Amino acid sequence: DSGVTQTPKHLITATGQRVTLRCSPRSGDLSVYWYQQSLDQGLQFLIQYYNGEERAKGNILERFSAQQFPDLHSELNLSSLELGDSALYFCASSALGGENIQYFGAGTRLSVL
Amino acid sequence: AQSVTQLDSHVSVSEGTPVLLRCNYSSSYSPSLFWYVQHPNKGLQLLLKYTSAATLVKGINGFEAEFKKSETSFHLTKPSAHMSDAAEYFCVVSPNYGGATNKLIFGTGTLLAVQP
Repeated sequence: DSGVTQTPKHLITATGQRVTLRCSPRSGDLSVYWYQQSLDQGLQFLIQYYNGEERAKGNILERFSAQQFPDLHSELNLSSLELGDSALYFCASSALGGENIQYFGAGTRLSVL
Repeated sequence: AQSVTQLDSHVSVSEGTPVLLRCNYSSSYSPSLFWYVQHPNKGLQLLLKYTSAATLVKGINGFEAEFKKSETSFHLTKPSAHMSDAAEYFCVVSPNYGGATNKLIFGTGTLLAVQP
């Protein structure tokens, strides 16, 4: 168990809808990262938050947004969903420091029908 | 720009034989390199990491990797494969910008099959 909790485990929704994925980082970790794993794109970095502030952005669509709350949990919001958004979404967390060891949650599998 | 190339998409070995999963990296900075493993329907688990302390890195479950700067390689090895090693393995690079945490850049993965 990595200590990173993601909910829900599975999400099935329709095109055009909006969903929210939730992540609770390991106790004490200030950084949260979101990644998308799909068959055609592989594992891609989406966005990083550090202590409530956006720190780095990757290949995140404008329809997607994220935030990190004062209790350090994070949410990834996906809107106007398309079939191609079906993927496994991972959250990871890391402590402050140079080693950058990221611990991953079990992921949320999103199916857009 | 930083990137990693995993040279084999699939590797099949027999139980008890050595495992070699190949990875080459490209980085403008002195990188941090990692191997992660993903078992079916599971999250990603860190196997080992290289952060310039020693070129031969030992990880969990008997895996190790050697950082070779001259070859820009970071191949993953294990002397004797076990059935439970069957999984997908990802070589990962993270650029070092003065020690700050940063995004991970994943390779395309190598699916390891272990035959009885």
